[in-house]
Amino acid sequence: SQTIHQWPATLVQPVGSPLSLECTVEGTSNPNLYWYRQAAGRGLQLLFYSVGIGQISSEVPQNLSASRPQDRQFILSSKKLLLSDSGFYLCAWSTYTGANVLTFGAGSRLTVL
Amino acid sequence: DQQVKQNSPSLSVQEGRISILNCDYTNSMFDYFLWYKKYPAEGPTFLISISSIKDKNEDGRFTVFLNKSAKHLSLHIVPSQPGDSAVYFCAASGAGKLIFGQGTTLQVKP
Repeated sequence: SQTIHQWPATLVQPVGSPLSLECTVEGTSNPNLYWYRQAAGRGLQLLFYSVGIGQISSEVPQNLSASRPQDRQFILSSKKLLLSDSGFYLCAWSTYTGANVLTFGAGSRLTVL
Repeated sequence: DQQVKQNSPSLSVQEGRISILNCDYTNSMFDYFLWYKKYPAEGPTFLISISSIKDKNEDGRFTVFLNKSAKHLSLHIVPSQPGDSAVYFCAASGAGKLIFGQGTTLQVKP
């Protein structure tokens, strides 16, 4: 069966520090991979998605970047965090068939102080 | 420009009654619509979907209705249970992406 792992679960970082959130998927190959963010009191905003190694589409101009160095690994990064980067970050995968049902990880809570 | 909107931030219903959650969209090119349920500090979990060529899909206590002319969909939960209390997101699928609404917090009172 397929599983998705996301870490760290919780992170408190000072403004201006770097960020790296990692996501890996097991039990499938060539998945579509996604990063979403849920800011406080808001919905799920699509940040990046990838259909293959090295292929990244950015949905929202921002202080973040994403990379896919391996088929089942997706990394969200920032060189210098802003206060507005605080939120709940969710990685997800799909096989893009039919309804394109996304399966989400448990999420990473980032607080920038 | 928000393509998927859930205009009701919250809904409160009595246990055993019907819960109706609503969602509107603007893009006619979406080919599927989905509903997700989310508990605090967890990832969303998939509930039910509907193809754009259908107008109804049912799975146990959950039914999704799609009105393409109005660009509107709704999720009906019957009967509602206290364990259904969560945030519900509708999402629209197109071009390999899911676009989510803002979510509606459902509270089911015992």
